[in-house]
Amino acid sequence: GESVGLHLPTLSVQEGDNSIINCAYSNSASDYFIWYKQESGKGPQFIIDIRSNMDKRQGQRVTVLLNKTVKHLSLQIAATQPGDSAVYFCAENWVSGGSYIPTFGRGTSLIVHP
Amino acid sequence: DTGVSQNPRHKITKRGQNVTFRCDPISEHNRLYWYRQTLGQGPEFLTYFQNEAQLEKSRLLSDRFSAERPKGSFSTLEIQRTEQGDSAMYLCASSRTGVRGESPLHFGNGTRLTVT
Repeated sequence: GESVGLHLPTLSVQEGDNSIINCAYSNSASDYFIWYKQESGKGPQFIIDIRSNMDKRQGQRVTVLLNKTVKHLSLQIAATQPGDSAVYFCAENWVSGGSYIPTFGRGTSLIVHP
Repeated sequence: DTGVSQNPRHKITKRGQNVTFRCDPISEHNRLYWYRQTLGQGPEFLTYFQNEAQLEKSRLLSDRFSAERPKGSFSTLEIQRTEQGDSAMYLCASSRTGVRGESPLHFGNGTRLTVT
C-alpha cells in the first residue's frame, strides 16, 4: 500500500506486507528530516532521521528516502507488524533566526491487520 | 536515559482559570521545546529554549501563554485565563546540540488539558 501524504491520511495493510508512507515537505532550505511514530496517548517516538546530504538511510526494518528535487520524503517499513500500527509524522528542520525548529506534517495513520 | 517527564498527565480546569505544566527533560539535553497537539493534527510549535534562554516563540502564541526554564533544567508552561480553545495535548521535547549539528527531539508523553 502507499499513502500520498496529506490527501490520504490513513494507510491499511496486512501483516507482513511492506508499507510506504509519504511526506511532502514545504521548505527547500530544510536540511534535516526526521520520522516519528506516535501511539495513542503517548508522545512521538523517534524512528529514523536523514540529513540533506544523503538520499537514503536504512535502519532496522525501516528505510527513509529523500528526494530534494521534489521535496519529498518517504518511510518504508518492511514486513509490517501489528505493533507498527500508529500515526507517523515527518518533521523538517531548517535554521530560522539561528535556531532549528522542527516543523511537523499532519501525519499518516497506519493500520496493520493481522 | 530516564526520558522526558511531564506532569501532570491530565488536567481538567474551568474556563478562566490558570494552569501550569512542568517538563523535566533528559538531563544532558540543552534544548527544550514545547508543542501543542490537537486531535488529528501534528505537533504545533509553541516555544523553544537553549539552556535557560528562550530563543524562539511562535507568533501564534497568545500573550496568555508563558514559559520559563529558570536554571536550564526543568521548564514550566503557564496558561492564564484558559479558554476552551486551549484544550489540547501539550508536549515537551528535548534534544542536544550534536557535533554534526541537529539531533532528534525526544518527547514526553504530554499533558492533556481539558477546559470546560
